[in-house]
Amino acid sequence: KQEVTQIPAALSVPEGENLVLNCSFTDSAIYNLQWFRQDPGKGLTSLLLIQSSQREQTSGRLNASLDKSSGRSTLYIAASQPGDSATYLCAVGDTGGFKTIFGAGTRLFVKA
Amino acid sequence: KAGVTQTPRYLIKTRGQQVTLSCSPISGHRSVSWYQQTPGQGLQFLFEYFSETQRNKGNFPGRFSGRQFSNSRSEMNVSTLELGDSALYLCASSLEGPADTQYFGPGTRLTVL
Repeated sequence: KQEVTQIPAALSVPEGENLVLNCSFTDSAIYNLQWFRQDPGKGLTSLLLIQSSQREQTSGRLNASLDKSSGRSTLYIAASQPGDSATYLCAVGDTGGFKTIFGAGTRLFVKA
Repeated sequence: KAGVTQTPRYLIKTRGQQVTLSCSPISGHRSVSWYQQTPGQGLQFLFEYFSETQRNKGNFPGRFSGRQFSNSRSEMNVSTLELGDSALYLCASSLEGPADTQYFGPGTRLTVL
């Protein structure tokens, strides 16, 4: 059974700092790994999608890596800003069934 | 392209009632998934539909059901509501399933009194 874990559960950093969010999964049989952002009480916004055959994806200040063999992904945020404050979720597209499985998320707070 | 829309955005019901939530996917998307999000359990998968067929179902009681129409719009129904059903219900659409990017709607906030 696929399980997705995110560490840390919460993180507070000063503005301008570079940071890394971690995601691990137990079964390497995945289609892809997707990182999302969620603002309080809102839906999810897709940030980056990494296909299982890829190693990383970049969008602006965000870089996500995927190591399928070790079951790990990281989301790197460069030069953090207060507007980056949100909950970040990772999710894997599970080949064991037609579903996407989510981690519990990392709540990020960037202090001005 | 218009994004994923969900109606209604907010609902207040009492225990024992039933509720129907609606999701309109992005044009051209044929897969719709539903999730329940609560502070204690996080995002939990409810079910996934593709071309009017349910392909997978999460570990929820039979009170939770859904369907998809020929235009890919989807509805989910919860019968005999319980206090624990209070949650944010999110739907996501994609071209053909979890191998594709998932796009989420804003959610329906259900409160059961």
